[in-house]
Amino acid sequence: DAGVIQSPRHEVTEMGQEVTLRCKPISGHDYLFWYRQTMMRGLELLIYFNNNVPIDDSGMPEDRFSAKMPNASFSTLKIQPSEPRDSAVYFCASSLGTGRQPQHFGDGTRLSIL
Amino acid sequence: TQLLEQSPQFLSIQEGENLTVYCNSSSVFSSLQWYRQEPGEGPVLLVTVVTGGEVKKLKRLTFQFGDARKDSSLHITAAQPGDTGLYLCAGARSGDYKLSFGAGTTVTVRA
Repeated sequence: DAGVIQSPRHEVTEMGQEVTLRCKPISGHDYLFWYRQTMMRGLELLIYFNNNVPIDDSGMPEDRFSAKMPNASFSTLKIQPSEPRDSAVYFCASSLGTGRQPQHFGDGTRLSIL
Repeated sequence: TQLLEQSPQFLSIQEGENLTVYCNSSSVFSSLQWYRQEPGEGPVLLVTVVTGGEVKKLKRLTFQFGDARKDSSLHITAAQPGDTGLYLCAGARSGDYKLSFGAGTTVTVRA
């Protein structure tokens, strides 16, 4: 079975540029989560979707960040304009539910903003 | 401040030794999960515990959920180099649909 697929795996870009991260969840999973992982703050939930609808975006750092899920098999996380402090590993995860349901993570996108 | 506090932050041991990782909180959780993350990969679920006092075993790994459902531990017996990784605990509080992750414990098992 295909797991959660994220692209690109690595992204290096200059400050001020737009960055788009992509995620394909596991087929049949109704929930999709975007996380950010840094050494300082660990794994932080940014936003999650249920049936393609954003449910909780309270973790999104600021207006420069936006996320969409146009259909059940695709989601994007966009940063515009990007800043050096956005450098982190961004993970997408999907699951059949919330709470005790296991979350299945992609291998992440390592983002470096110069 | 993390909702879930993990200790220790780093742990380096020799192959064959035992180790314990702790996950503590002042909040009550309806369930708690343990994940392992290897470099360049996403976290992978090891176990979910849901009942206070519950003990689950996965080969050489033993997971325990505290009686009050505020804490958990992970014990590895006779650690092997393949156990090396970042161990994360994550909990869901009653009525909360989100998982809160601890900061993680980096375990290194030397051959």
